[in-house]
Amino acid sequence: QQQVKQSPQSLIVQKGGISIINCAYENTAFDYFPWYQQFPGKGPALLIAIRPDVSEKKEGRFTISFNKSAKQFSLHIMDSQPGDSATYFCAASSGTYKYIFGTGTRLKVLA
Amino acid sequence: NAGVMQNPRHLVRRRGQEARLRCSPMKGHSHVYWYRQLPEEGLKFMVYLQKENIIDESGMPKERFSAEFPKEGPSILRIQQVVRGDSAAYFCASSPNDRGYNEQFFGPGTRLTVL
Repeated sequence: QQQVKQSPQSLIVQKGGISIINCAYENTAFDYFPWYQQFPGKGPALLIAIRPDVSEKKEGRFTISFNKSAKQFSLHIMDSQPGDSATYFCAASSGTYKYIFGTGTRLKVLA
Repeated sequence: NAGVMQNPRHLVRRRGQEARLRCSPMKGHSHVYWYRQLPEEGLKFMVYLQKENIIDESGMPKERFSAEFPKEGPSILRIQQVVRGDSAAYFCASSPNDRGYNEQFFGPGTRLTVL
C-alpha cells in the first residue's frame, strides 16, 4: 500500500512532442505529490508538485494532472526538448518527510 | 548559497571494509534525510536526522548501517563490513523543516562500489 507505481520505464519522444509519464498509488493518506528530475550523475531536483485539492497544475511546459478518484497522477511535458532528456521520478507523501518514490522513467528526446 | 554537499562523490571499497559518506545540508537547514538508490530503482528512504538526534531510521538496515548528525560538522552515513549488495548511489537531502509539503533538496550523491 506504500508503493507508487510508475510507467513507462523508458520513453522516447521526438523534439516538440508531448511526453507523458504516469503514476498510481494505493494509500489514500497521500496528500503531496512531487515530481523530481534527475540528470546523469546528479541528484534529483524538484520539478513540480501538486496537492489533491486541485486536478491540474501547470508550470511552463510541465503540467501535473491529478485524478483523485482513480488515485493516479501524471506528468505532461509539452514541446519536449533534448534538454529534457533525464530520469523522472514521481513521489508521494502523507504530509510527512517520508517520500515514497516511483521507480523512475528514463526520457530521451530526439533532436 | 551552496546546495547540499556530499563527499566523496565516488567511493570504492572491498568487501569487509567500512564506508563513510558525508553530507553537509544547505545553509539554514537542520533536517537531513538519507536515501539509497539501487540501479534501475527509485530512491528508498533510509533515515531522518536532526542535529544530534535520529528521528526515524525505519528504512535503514538494522545491522552494519548507522547514521549521525553531530552538533558540529556534516551528517555521516556509515556502513561497516560492506558487501556487494551495498553498491548503490546514496543521496542526502535537507529541508528547513520536516513538513512534507516543503521541498527536500538533494545533494549530488555518493556512488559506492563494493568490489
